[in-house]
Amino acid sequence: EVQLVESGGGLVKPGGSLRLSCAASGFSFVTYGMFWVRQAPGKGLEWVSSISSTGGYIYYADPVKGRFTISRDNAKNSLSLHMDRLTAEDTGVYYCARGMGAYNDAFDVWGQGTMVTVSS
Amino acid sequence: QLVLTQSPSASASLGASVRLTCTLNSAHSSYTIAWHQQQPEKGPRFLIKLNSDGSHTKADGIPDRFSGSSSGAERYLTISSLQSEDEADYYCQTWGTDIHVFGPGTKVTIL
Repeated sequence: EVQLVESGGGLVKPGGSLRLSCAASGFSFVTYGMFWVRQAPGKGLEWVSSISSTGGYIYYADPVKGRFTISRDNAKNSLSLHMDRLTAEDTGVYYCARGMGAYNDAFDVWGQGTMVTVSS
Repeated sequence: QLVLTQSPSASASLGASVRLTCTLNSAHSSYTIAWHQQQPEKGPRFLIKLNSDGSHTKADGIPDRFSGSSSGAERYLTISSLQSEDEADYYCQTWGTDIHVFGPGTKVTIL
């Protein structure tokens, strides 16, 4: 079964850091681009970051550029998002998603999400 | 700038059909999009990838009641024979070389 499982969410103070992980299984992880998407409470979906299959291409949405770092370990079938200098606007559910190809493409598999709350 | 527009809400009776529209801005009118469903309190689920010519790829296990079509800059998702579990938010997604964009979503209510 193709599966993505996020972990690492929690409560963090403004200005703090957090590292999210996404464990992939059931498919050849090295073949696919991977993505992080977030959803603030009661709001829509917002793309956060992309990484190509080999990690050679990385992109960030403007609100997180310079604060978030995406990475992947193809040997461990794992995707990560390191988040620094967090603010209340970063609060929400963070989903990892698989692309349909090695680079930018439609997202065809989603995880169940992990909640990040930034509050003092 | 890559922009997707969706109506905020749509409604139809049980067993009826509803057509959702996702509109690309004119500079990107030929782009491919994807439709995703998000049921209440759940994560998103991929439904269909839809090209400008109407050709599409559906996710495994998605009922035939869900279909996609295109006309110009508009991309449609039609849900036929509406069932209670179809009550959800529906998002369209598109992408460029270095960016992904979601539409604001359409909330489908079953009357």
